[in-house]
Amino acid sequence: SQTIHQWPATLVQPVGSPLSLECTVEGTSNPNLYWYRQAAGRGLQLLFYSVGIGQISSEVPQNLSASRPQDRQFILSSKKLLLSDSGFYLCAWSGRGQWTEAFFGQGTRLTVV
Amino acid sequence: GQQVMQIPQYQHVQEGEDFTTYCNSSTTLSNIQWYKQRPGGHPVFLIQLVKSGEVKKQKRLTFQFGEAKKNSSLHITATQTTDVGTYFCAATNYQLIWGAGTKLIIKP
Repeated sequence: SQTIHQWPATLVQPVGSPLSLECTVEGTSNPNLYWYRQAAGRGLQLLFYSVGIGQISSEVPQNLSASRPQDRQFILSSKKLLLSDSGFYLCAWSGRGQWTEAFFGQGTRLTVV
Repeated sequence: GQQVMQIPQYQHVQEGEDFTTYCNSSTTLSNIQWYKQRPGGHPVFLIQLVKSGEVKKQKRLTFQFGEAKKNSSLHITATQTTDVGTYFCAATNYQLIWGAGTKLIIKP
């Protein structure tokens, strides 16, 4: 069966520090991968999605970047965090085609102080 | 781009009362999915609707897809504390387009 791992679960980082969140998927090949951010009590904001290794689409211009160095690995990064980067970050994967559902990781709660 | 409007943003109910959330689109949708996010958790897939006028049930949850495939609803009968969370609809258009979610709050 397929599983998705996302870590860490919580993170407190000072303003100006770098960020690296990692997500890996097991049990499937060539998934679509997604990074979402969710502000407290709000909906899901799509940050990046990827349909293959090295292929990244950015939905919102901002202080973050994403990379997909391997088929089932998706990394969210920042060189210098801002206070406004605080939030709940969710990684997700889906199969190919428009009929498949999304499966989410447990999420990372990031607080920038 | 395509948008999915979801209302209401919050709904406060007494335990045992019903709950409904609605999603609307100005364009015809290929399908619509529903997810539930428990407080502090991540969204979990509930169901997918594909056919015009489709109605599906999962115990006390009833999901409907409109005849024109432009709207959908989720109705929960006789809410329980385990139903607390935020319910999202999402439409697929090569990637998921999410509604803003409806938060179900049970009054103490």
